[in-house]
Amino acid sequence: VQLVQSGAEVKKPGESLKISCKGSGFFFPSYWIGWVRQKPGYGLEWMGIIYPGDSDTRYRPSFRGQVTISVDPSINTAYLHWSSLEASDTAMYYCARSISSGLPTMSFDIWGQGTMVTVSS
Amino acid sequence: DIVMTQTPLSLPAIPGEPASISCRSSQSLLDSDDGKTYLDWYLQKPGQSPQLLIYTLSYRASGVPDRFSGSGSGTDFTLQISRVEAEDVGVYYCMQHIEFSQMTFGQGTRLEIK
Repeated sequence: VQLVQSGAEVKKPGESLKISCKGSGFFFPSYWIGWVRQKPGYGLEWMGIIYPGDSDTRYRPSFRGQVTISVDPSINTAYLHWSSLEASDTAMYYCARSISSGLPTMSFDIWGQGTMVTVSS
Repeated sequence: DIVMTQTPLSLPAIPGEPASISCRSSQSLLDSDDGKTYLDWYLQKPGQSPQLLIYTLSYRASGVPDRFSGSGSGTDFTLQISRVEAEDVGVYYCMQHIEFSQMTFGQGTRLEIK
């Protein structure tokens, strides 16, 4: 059981970006997948979650409109997308899987290795 | 937003000795419908992804040593380590999920070995 994230990215302000999180070893459609941001030297912030079974997506208010969370359940992969990056988006981004299948339980027991996104001109 | 406040922010610990971290929420994390308290604890070891230690107040996640325990009620919670080991260093976060999909973390407590 694991989540494997795409590799580190270096982008310029205004560019777009989509990072990925691929699950294996479990029935991907039945578990909520969440995204967490960690700015350098800071703590953890939830961004939003998605249920691959029906693409139900929820955002924390501060991230709504700033990013798009999506999923392709046919390849067990969730995505986090920016249409126009800013320097303040520089951070490590983690995906995580909910602990229970088919239930809205927001404890997360499987985490990806993280994707470092650097936005700099 | 439910605000989570942890104390202390830095915790020097002695191997073999107990240690505890407190977490307070700005509103109750008890769900009156099912009687569960939606408070988790995570540990982020240096250079690693976070890992789940305790969920729903007091349930240890798979593979977590029994020296870790969670307790509390309402708005006040505690993570206790009965005997600290060197491998326990890292940043500990409490997290609430009483409001579906609107989870928030505490600011983190850094445990270091004295």
